[in-house]
Amino acid sequence: GAVVSQHPSWVICKSGTSVKIECRSLDFQATTMFWYRQFPKQSLMLMATSNEGSKATYEQGVEKDKFLINHASLTLSTLTVTSAHPEDSSFYICSAGTGLGRLALLGKRGIEETQYFGPGTRLLVL
Amino acid sequence: TQLLEQSPQFLSIQEGENLTVYCNSSSVFSSLQWYRQEPGEGPVLLVTVVTGGEVKKLKRLTFQFGDARKDSSLHITAAQTGDTGLYLCAGEKKGAQKLVFGQGTRLTINP
Repeated sequence: GAVVSQHPSWVICKSGTSVKIECRSLDFQATTMFWYRQFPKQSLMLMATSNEGSKATYEQGVEKDKFLINHASLTLSTLTVTSAHPEDSSFYICSAGTGLGRLALLGKRGIEETQYFGPGTRLLVL
Repeated sequence: TQLLEQSPQFLSIQEGENLTVYCNSSSVFSSLQWYRQEPGEGPVLLVTVVTGGEVKKLKRLTFQFGDARKDSSLHITAAQTGDTGLYLCAGEKKGAQKLVFGQGTRLTINP
């Protein structure tokens, strides 16, 4: 299947600093990227959806000025946590979609998923 | 309000036993996906079900999509310690590419 990478895999920062997390689709073009947040022992909560070249759509309750998302190319989206505080400590996961729906043909057959998940970035704010 | 209710949220059983995890909703989904997630890693897709009543098997795992496409189940036969992990269901609504996740089921298989 397609590969999505995230960098860094973990980061520790001081309160008040900003942290940038990168999400890259390595072997396909992602028209849409999604950013999720996961607290310990909980499920994934969608934060925002970003489409290449346009502004991100944030889910209710997610501060767009605090979580800046940039999807400047078809293979890269970034999430910047501005002025991070300890309560922002979490596991951040991105996923990348082809925008083609199920059974998308990318020169490969049998692809049923519309989103490919990255390995996650663990953020700890001290 | 949780759009997808997953149950049980925690399950601890002995190796060799069978188990079923449920994912229920009042909404209709165009597809439903099951993921497994290990600590510190992203979720890995196990299966996608699309058609109402569809049953898919993946070795000892059997996935079923409800006739009305509102619910799904994951059944594991003869559980093994390697099945331990967080199982997540996620639904995709027609016309919306984003996924809605259930709360997850943390499964522990004891030797």
